[in-house]
Amino acid sequence: TQLLEQSPQFLSIQEGENLTVYCNSSSVFSSLQWYRQEPGEGPVLLVTVVTGGEVKKLKRLTFQFGDARKDSSLHITAAQPGDTGLYLCAGGGGTSYGKLTFGQGTILTVHP
Amino acid sequence: DTAVSQTPKYLVTQMGNDKSIKCEQNLGHDTMYWYKQDSKKFLKIMFSYNNKELIINETVPNRFSPKSPDKAHLNLHINSLELGDSAVYFCASSLHTDNSPLHFGNGTRLTVT
Repeated sequence: TQLLEQSPQFLSIQEGENLTVYCNSSSVFSSLQWYRQEPGEGPVLLVTVVTGGEVKKLKRLTFQFGDARKDSSLHITAAQPGDTGLYLCAGGGGTSYGKLTFGQGTILTVHP
Repeated sequence: DTAVSQTPKYLVTQMGNDKSIKCEQNLGHDTMYWYKQDSKKFLKIMFSYNNKELIINETVPNRFSPKSPDKAHLNLHINSLELGDSAVYFCASSLHTDNSPLHFGNGTRLTVT
């Protein structure tokens, strides 16, 4: 069974601070997806990374896929209250074809 | 237009009852899923259908029975509800079965009393 360990589980910061969320596994994934979920809604895809070492930027969010495709990180610069939410990483491929493996999630709260 | 819509949004029922949750997607996707999100926000796949055919059936009690009348619909029927079934259930769809990104509905919060 493939597992994705996401850390930290909770993050409470002030507006303007930077933060990084990590997603680690001992398994290799063919792709890594990041989702953001707001209360009362379903997760929404932020980005997909597929190449080892790949870096993608989405405004103040920077996503990186590890060289060995076993880990990923999400870095947010100058966090804003609107960034508050649950961030989920999900790995695809490997031995779990057709099924995404989700991390436990990181609940981010950005205080004004 | 809502891409993946599921009903009802909230479901409160007593132990032992039978209930259904409906899901429809208008994205033209081939694959649909049911996920369960527990109180710790962990998302776990339950079922996956591709063009009306069951392709993933995780270790889920047989009280849960999915039905896909066509590739745009995937319903979930639950018999003899138990307290531990309380959770948020998400329907999702993806273009194909190849780990394409998921489009989620807004969830059904099921509370069993």
